[in-house]
Amino acid sequence: GAGVSQTPSNKVTEKGKYVELRCDPISGHTALYWYRQSLGQGPEFLIYFQGTGAADDSGLPNDRFFAVRPEGSVSTLKIQRTERGDSAVYLCASNNGLAGAEQYFGPGTRLTVT
Amino acid sequence: GENVEQHPSTLSVQEGDSAVIKCTYSDSASNYFPWYKQELGKGPQLIIDIRSNVGEKKDQRIAVTLNKTAKHFSLHITETQPEDSAVYFCAASWDMDSNYQLIWGAGTKLIIKP
Repeated sequence: GAGVSQTPSNKVTEKGKYVELRCDPISGHTALYWYRQSLGQGPEFLIYFQGTGAADDSGLPNDRFFAVRPEGSVSTLKIQRTERGDSAVYLCASNNGLAGAEQYFGPGTRLTVT
Repeated sequence: GENVEQHPSTLSVQEGDSAVIKCTYSDSASNYFPWYKQELGKGPQLIIDIRSNVGEKKDQRIAVTLNKTAKHFSLHITETQPEDSAVYFCAASWDMDSNYQLIWGAGTKLIIKP
């Protein structure tokens, strides 16, 4: 079946601009996770949704970052006033929401802030 | 807080030989240790995991060992094949039910030479 998809695959934006990154989870998965991966590092947790609500947003670095999942399926990560330090690969993952269930990752969106 | 160190950063082995990647962790409360494989342009994929009440786990050509006293764990890949080439990440967590709150190692780039 279809895996997790993310769009766009690459995004180049200028410092100070606003960007939106989209994640389509595996159909039927109630839990959705956003991570940020810098070059040469493992993923860094940002936020976790269970259904439509953010169950844990403790990883969001500051108030420029925001994510929504209005219908409990597709999610959008929004970054305001982008900074060069925001450049990274943003990964999305989903699972069935059960404790300890394996997460299935998408291919990521590579964000470059110039 | 928890810290996970991973070695080596790059590992090159001849096809058919074995590969070993090692990780150490700092928090003795950690009890869940997954390993992920990340191919170029893709998200990480869980390949094997181990809990602190188990010393070793095997799945075909891959195995993970855990030494709780020394706080280190290792990934072993036998009879390596070209498709094993990827970046491998170890991670640790004190709560496998919240497996998104992982502390990740920096990754090992495994190169299989034909």
